[in-house]
Amino acid sequence: SQQGEEDPQALSIQEGENATMNCSYKTSINNLQWYRQNSGRGLVHLILIRSNEREKHSGRLRVTLDTSKKSSSLLITASRAADTASYFCATDAETDKLIFGTGTRLQVFP
Amino acid sequence: DTEVTQTPKHLVMGMTNKKSLKCEQHMGHRAMYWYKQKAKKPPELMFVYSYEKLSINESVPSRFSPECPNSSLLNLHLHALQPEDSALYLCASSQTPTGGHRSYEQYFGPGTRLTVT
Repeated sequence: SQQGEEDPQALSIQEGENATMNCSYKTSINNLQWYRQNSGRGLVHLILIRSNEREKHSGRLRVTLDTSKKSSSLLITASRAADTASYFCATDAETDKLIFGTGTRLQVFP
Repeated sequence: DTEVTQTPKHLVMGMTNKKSLKCEQHMGHRAMYWYKQKAKKPPELMFVYSYEKLSINESVPSRFSPECPNSSLLNLHLHALQPEDSALYLCASSQTPTGGHRSYEQYFGPGTRLTVT
């Protein structure tokens, strides 16, 4: 079952630019998480935002959550070539499960 | 140590073979997960072990058989696989099972790239 959809599916930007990706989900959640995956590798946790939070920052990452619209966004500021990866949102609407969104493939050109 | 290890990194097997994937964590986590990921797709949950007991089986075919020998180890036994089972198999762990108001981040291993010929 797929809980979240992300857009855009793919995003290409230059180093130094900001990257914004969006996640929409279908049912009520407790928390929403964002993960990064470099090509063919395991996922790395970036940030967790709770349903009673609206915004959270971690370094160059800014995450917002709008539970009324069932949506979240991930902003990466001052992007670097090393940020090139796929980014997934994940929701925990169901017990013991994380359901991942469709993902956004980000390409940052030097 | 915040690492989840998986072996082997790559595996090629025929449809009649029996093989096993292994996953290990030493973070004291009590929840462990197997995911299957096809190219350009999100990870799909296969199994969840909670406190060494199988808590979720996402209707996975019986040719995949999970095993949790102890709180640090997770195996996935493979038998009579099909070519469409070729994928990246990811193991993950978390402090306790994800869900509810105490959701924890999941730590992922690097995956096993499985090719079924």
